[in-house]
Amino acid sequence: GIQVEQSPPDLILQEGANSTLRCNFSDSVNNLQWFHQNPWGQLINLFYIPSGTKQNGRLSATTVATERYSLLYISSSQTTDSGVYFCAVEMIKAAGNKLTFGGGTRVLVKP
Amino acid sequence: KAGVTQTPRYLIKTRGQQVTLSCSPISGHRSVSWYQQTPGQGLQFLFEYFSETQRNKGNFPGRFSGRQFSNSRSEMNVSTLELGDSALYLCASSGDIGYEQYFGPGTRLTVT
Repeated sequence: GIQVEQSPPDLILQEGANSTLRCNFSDSVNNLQWFHQNPWGQLINLFYIPSGTKQNGRLSATTVATERYSLLYISSSQTTDSGVYFCAVEMIKAAGNKLTFGGGTRVLVKP
Repeated sequence: KAGVTQTPRYLIKTRGQQVTLSCSPISGHRSVSWYQQTPGQGLQFLFEYFSETQRNKGNFPGRFSGRQFSNSRSEMNVSTLELGDSALYLCASSGDIGYEQYFGPGTRLTVT
């Protein structure tokens, strides 16, 4: 099956700093999503981005499908950005909806 | 539009018992997927239903089963519970293949 790797596994930031999270995947995809998991476990949708670039406030994401990677940018980080960020992909050849998740990046933003 | 709902939110069961979890998708969505999250294995796909048919299944034992009703609501069942089944169970709803998926708040299952 498809492999999804996220880096770095852990990130400690000072409030106000910028950061980049990376997601590499091993096969062609028709869906790529970034999620933020809140302390109660719910996955919050950040971006649906199988290709191209999107921005939402202080967050932006870029997926280069031909090179099989995606980047999530956090600018001017705030303590509320802390949590685990997941990248998940759906392979083109999959029979039905099936997201394969990366291992996540745990972000801690210090005041 | 109401989001994905899951019931119950928390559950404590004893080894050997069985459990049924429920998921109601976003109105109009016909695909419901189930995932298990544990600290050791991360987020893993269990199965997906579309219009009452299982389209895809992950690598889990037969103790894990599911079904979908004509109103797209889905249930998953775990029989003969083991300690290792303690996990957060998440369901997601979507329009179809390749569409954005939306997750519910999850059911946290503890097996003692």
